[in-house]
Amino acid sequence: KNEVEQSPQNLTAQEGEFITINCSYSVGISALHWLQQHPGGGIVSLFMLSSGKKKHGRLIATINIQEKHSSLHITASHPRDSAVYICAVRYYGGSQGNLIFGKGTKLSVKP
Amino acid sequence: EPEVTQTPSHQVTQMGQEVILRCVPISNHLYFYWYRQILGQKVEFLVSFYNNEISEKSEIFDDQFSVERPDGSNFTLKIRSTKLEDSAMYFCASSEPAGTAALEETQYFGPGTRLLVL
Repeated sequence: KNEVEQSPQNLTAQEGEFITINCSYSVGISALHWLQQHPGGGIVSLFMLSSGKKKHGRLIATINIQEKHSSLHITASHPRDSAVYICAVRYYGGSQGNLIFGKGTKLSVKP
Repeated sequence: EPEVTQTPSHQVTQMGQEVILRCVPISNHLYFYWYRQILGQKVEFLVSFYNNEISEKSEIFDDQFSVERPDGSNFTLKIRSTKLEDSAMYFCASSEPAGTAALEETQYFGPGTRLLVL
């Protein structure tokens, strides 16, 4: 069964710290998404990657296709970054939208 | 900025009743999706919809579920004869069609409908 594993499950950081969240998957994918779920439940798409690296503000996402691994980095973390960060992939052969989700990493940034 | 909207935000229903969850995708998007998230668990894919038909559905999306695009703007998920285990947050999402240079497009999620079956 194709799985998406995220680590750590929970992460507590002090404001200003550099944060890394990891995602690994088992077989070839056509795309990987990083999503942010707010405490109220709403989901926001942060990045969609199929190779390399993307940057948006203080967020950086990288993917290593050979190692089947992706990381989400947050620089100069802030309490408003507190949320659950979810990795989701579409495996080769899956139709668009059929994403397999990780369990998420719950991030809490303390002031 | 355009956004996906969902109604209602919360719905409480009795077991065995039918519910319809409504979504208005972003207007120029052509792909539509439903996902669900049982409390404390990961998000799960239910169904994708394109060109007025289902393009893929998961094992969860059995005969109890149906989707429809009744007009040019709404996209609905109907759950017939709800069960206790249908209690979850249901998310609608939409995306533009993938271009020839891309296999995937960013999905935009609605705020979700929290369904509670009693």
